[in-house]
Amino acid sequence: AQSVTQLGSHVSVSEGALVLLRCNYSSSVPPYLFWYVQYPNQGLQLLLKYTTGATLVKGINGFEAEFKKSETSFHLTKPSAHMSDAAEYFCAVSYSGGSNYKLTFGKGTLLTVNP
Amino acid sequence: NAGVMQNPRHLVRRRGQEARLRCSPMKGHSHVYWYRQLPEEGLKFMVYLQKENIIDESGMPKERFSAEFPKEGPSILRIQQVVRGDSAAYFCASSLQTSGRTDTQYFGPGTRLTVL
Repeated sequence: AQSVTQLGSHVSVSEGALVLLRCNYSSSVPPYLFWYVQYPNQGLQLLLKYTTGATLVKGINGFEAEFKKSETSFHLTKPSAHMSDAAEYFCAVSYSGGSNYKLTFGKGTLLTVNP
Repeated sequence: NAGVMQNPRHLVRRRGQEARLRCSPMKGHSHVYWYRQLPEEGLKFMVYLQKENIIDESGMPKERFSAEFPKEGPSILRIQQVVRGDSAAYFCASSLQTSGRTDTQYFGPGTRLTVL
């Protein structure tokens, strides 16, 4: 069975500081990994995804994530936080099998950016 | 280019009533997924539908819940005889197609159901 753990339900950073949101997963087969962002009163928007190939994935808005199989991690980073990055972030996993549409989500991390 | 639309955005029902949640996928998308987010939990898969077909309903509760995606019109998630434990956010997503690689799912803003 798949599961996703997001460490820290709430992360607070200063504007211009590094953003690091942690995600660990468990999967018995090669995973597909995703980060979604949700702004207030909006739907989840895909930031980036890893399926195969290069383990460092670049997404929108300057975010990137690195798939580390040995650590079963897919942490999300951004070198310099902007006020507009304040939102809730969800890590999700599916797997490269017949049910690859079935996303399993973490509980989310609320990012606050302080001026 | 309208995204995935869900209505209503907020729905209040009393115990025992029925709740109907609607989802209009993005233009051209024929695959719809429903997810539920209980308080303090991540989103959990409920059901996957294509036009007029339920493909996977492994995440649906066995009773009171049903879903459809008719040939014309939006997808409907129906909850009969609601109970307080049904209070949650219900998200719909759509995709263009599925293939060997997982297809990007685009999410709607969700419907917040409150059962009194």
